[in-house]
Amino acid sequence: DTGVSQDPRHKITKRGQNVTFRCDPISEHNRLYWYRQTLGQGPEFLTYFQNEAQLEKSRLLSDRFSAERPKGSFSTLEIQRTEQGDSAMYLCASSPSPGQGASYYEQYFGPGTRLTVT
Amino acid sequence: AQKITQTQPGMFVQEKEAVTLDCTYDTSDPSYGLFWYKQPSSGEMIFLIYQGSYDQQNATEGRYSLNFQKARKSANLVISASQLGDSAMYFCAMRGAFESGSEKLVFGKGTKLTVNP
Repeated sequence: DTGVSQDPRHKITKRGQNVTFRCDPISEHNRLYWYRQTLGQGPEFLTYFQNEAQLEKSRLLSDRFSAERPKGSFSTLEIQRTEQGDSAMYLCASSPSPGQGASYYEQYFGPGTRLTVT
Repeated sequence: AQKITQTQPGMFVQEKEAVTLDCTYDTSDPSYGLFWYKQPSSGEMIFLIYQGSYDQQNATEGRYSLNFQKARKSANLVISASQLGDSAMYFCAMRGAFESGSEKLVFGKGTKLTVNP
């Protein structure tokens, strides 16, 4: 049984650099979500895909952030011109749609990518 | 807008005892879902239990039960017979109106549970 995977697990970058994270959801899950979690806080929603369509975006997702899910399978989250405030854990989650058997309401999370901007 | 409040930054419990983690929520949506997730030090969020706003019965999953009091807007998590492996951060979360199509989860700040031997 393969869960949600994320790559890399850790990323250290210098301020101003661009970074890209990858998320592979559970096979056949058509819903994919990105969250950001800073120290001492709960995860905050960033964006949501149903298949390849990006259906929901948070105001937290500034112009420097972009997410894609080109073929409705894996997704990438890119941060351009990173700032120190971008340092956080970036979590990806997936869930099936109704009718696929498993719990519709549960979002299955990956291990996260920890970003440190120096 | 939805809001989740977890007022207990940290809780301690003796092994084999029960513990209640508090969660209150605020929403104007007529229907919503409430979730509890566990986050061990490894960082991965683990789903524990779900309660729909129209569910008549409180949800239970093994040692976990959700004490849902709609009028009070509370959704407390009860863990029975605590185990050392239960030591972790616990997050309460809610999902907004299903009719709106919004899929996002709104999380509280979490409660750090420590189980003592």
